[in-house]
Amino acid sequence: NAGVTQTPKFQVLKTGQSMTLQCAQDMNHEYMSWYRQDPGMGLRLIHYSVGAGITDQGEVPNGYNVSRSTTEDFPLRLLSAAPSQTSVYFCASSEQPGRNTGELFFGEGSRLTVL
Amino acid sequence: ILNVEQSPQSLHVQEGDSTNFTCSFPSSNFYALHWYRWETAKSPEALFVMTLNGDEKKKGRISATLNTKEGYSYLYIKGSQPEDSATYLCAFKTGGFKTIFGAGTRLFVKA
Repeated sequence: NAGVTQTPKFQVLKTGQSMTLQCAQDMNHEYMSWYRQDPGMGLRLIHYSVGAGITDQGEVPNGYNVSRSTTEDFPLRLLSAAPSQTSVYFCASSEQPGRNTGELFFGEGSRLTVL
Repeated sequence: ILNVEQSPQSLHVQEGDSTNFTCSFPSSNFYALHWYRWETAKSPEALFVMTLNGDEKKKGRISATLNTKEGYSYLYIKGSQPEDSATYLCAFKTGGFKTIFGAGTRLFVKA
């Protein structure tokens, strides 16, 4: 039972580099989202998607891009990494929120350090 | 801006103590309130999903209540055990598609 799979688990970048965090789920969930976790601030929503081809911004979208070409995958792109993007990133999915109360299933997290 | 507040930020208790945490959330546009348990080096896992004013949920020694009119929820742990040590997150789900988290309460249970 894979659930939500994130890669890589750890990554170190230099300022200005680009990278993509991968997220895949095998539960046929229509809703997927990305959060970042910083000390003392809990989980903050970056972007979310309610289905293939549909994405929208969360609380802290600046500096991040997403796309949703398939139901299973929801990659998060950093086009030009900044030290402020040093964080732990979590991908989460749920069944379509409109049809249920939206319990989230999380990946294991990706720790990103930007030097 | 939706604001979800949790208190206390951290809590140290002895094994066997009972304890409780508070989550405050906006009372408008309410859809659901979630509680998650987050152990170190693991992913958050859902404990409770609560939707109706007055809801009470229980799982073993852990229970939760919900007051949507005044915008708060309590999580109770009876007879804390060292394995209860974790961060407890509450999350407010709006009628749209966003789930907004509080900063969490970090519980330390000493044997």
